[in-house]
Amino acid sequence: AQKVTQAQTEISVVEKEDVTLDCVYETRDTTYYLFWYKQPPSGELVFLIRRNSFDEQNEISGRYSWNFQKSTSSFNFTITASQVVDSAVYFCALGNNNAGNMLTFGGGTRLMVKP
Amino acid sequence: NAGVMQNPRHLVRRRGQEARLRCSPMKGHSHVYWYRQLPEEGLKFMVYLQKENIIDESGMPKERFSAEFPKEGPSILRIQQVVRGDSAAYFCASSPRSRVASGANVLTFGAGSRLTVL
Repeated sequence: AQKVTQAQTEISVVEKEDVTLDCVYETRDTTYYLFWYKQPPSGELVFLIRRNSFDEQNEISGRYSWNFQKSTSSFNFTITASQVVDSAVYFCALGNNNAGNMLTFGGGTRLMVKP
Repeated sequence: NAGVMQNPRHLVRRRGQEARLRCSPMKGHSHVYWYRQLPEEGLKFMVYLQKENIIDESGMPKERFSAEFPKEGPSILRIQQVVRGDSAAYFCASSPRSRVASGANVLTFGAGSRLTVL
């Protein structure tokens, strides 16, 4: 069985602070995929990143960076110099290599960035 | 190039009524997935369909819920005799093919349909 845990249900920061959202996953698959999605107040889901299990390189995209640690089964997401527009619920998700895209989502972390 | 289109965006039903939620996948996508998001929770997989076929419905409640993706037209998620516990956001996603290993295979989600049962 697959499981994704986002232990932080809510985080509040002041603009320009850095913030890290934690994601810990469980799977028995040797090949799997990890995702982050953003859900702004408008409600839609916005894809941020996909990472496969055999690529442990960290990734940076502008103010966003991701730290994939297979040894600790974690895929953490850091926002540098946070902005009010970053306020949203962020979901980490896990998929495997079987047919279909039945992703397992974590419970989400609500990030509030205050001006 | 329109994304995944869901309608209605908001639907209010009284207990015992039927709810029908529609999803048109992205152009060129032939795989549709429905997920449910209960209040303050993450998304839970419900069903995976291709045209005219249900591939995996392991996440669907056994009663009152059904889904279809006909040869022509949108995918439909149907909830019969709704109860208050069905109140949730229902998200549809689509992909061009089934295996997430494909480089083009990130799920594209619609904006969701929010069902409120009074």
